[in-house]
Amino acid sequence: DSGVTQTPKHLITATGQRVTLRCSPRSGDLSVYWYQQSLDQGLQFLIQYYNGEERAKGNILERFSAQQFPDLHSELNLSSLELGDSALYFCASSVGGRISYNEQFFGPGTRLTVL
Amino acid sequence: DQQVKQNSPSLSVQEGRISILNCDYTNSMFDYFLWYKKYPAEGPTFLISISSIKDKNEDGRFTVFLNKSAKHLSLHIVPSQPGDSAVYFCAASALDPQSGANSKLTFGKGITLSVRP
Repeated sequence: DSGVTQTPKHLITATGQRVTLRCSPRSGDLSVYWYQQSLDQGLQFLIQYYNGEERAKGNILERFSAQQFPDLHSELNLSSLELGDSALYFCASSVGGRISYNEQFFGPGTRLTVL
Repeated sequence: DQQVKQNSPSLSVQEGRISILNCDYTNSMFDYFLWYKKYPAEGPTFLISISSIKDKNEDGRFTVFLNKSAKHLSLHIVPSQPGDSAVYFCAASALDPQSGANSKLTFGKGITLSVRP
């Protein structure tokens, strides 16, 4: 158990809909990262938050957005869903900040299926 | 453009023997490298890491070697056990000049390791 929790575990929805994925980082971690794992692409970085502020952005679509709340949990919002958005979405956390090297610890993921 | 490459999709070894998993990278700005292990229906689990100032890091049965000039790293598992059967991901990150910290991870596509009893 990494200490990172994600809900829900599975999500099935229809095209055009909007969903919210939730992540709680490990106790003491200030950085939260979101990754997408699709069948043909492997793990792709989406976005990072550090202590409530956006820190880095990857290949995140404009239909997707995220935020980190004062209690440090994070939500990833996916809207106008398309079939191609079906994937595993992982959240990871790390200590973050000005510690040069720190490992990221991953949650169990949310499997999103868009029908 | 795949910046982290794991060219062999799978590897099968006998229990007790050495497993060597390879990884190549193209981005010379990468200065921190990690290996993750992943079982089906679970998130990646951190195994071992190495910074670019070192060429070797060891943790129990796991050793990571880094060859900066060749932009190559490898994970050695000795001795291999059936419980090591999983997908292994190599990942890399670069120091963010703005924050002074490492940020996003760039992953390879993974190698499926099978350890035969």
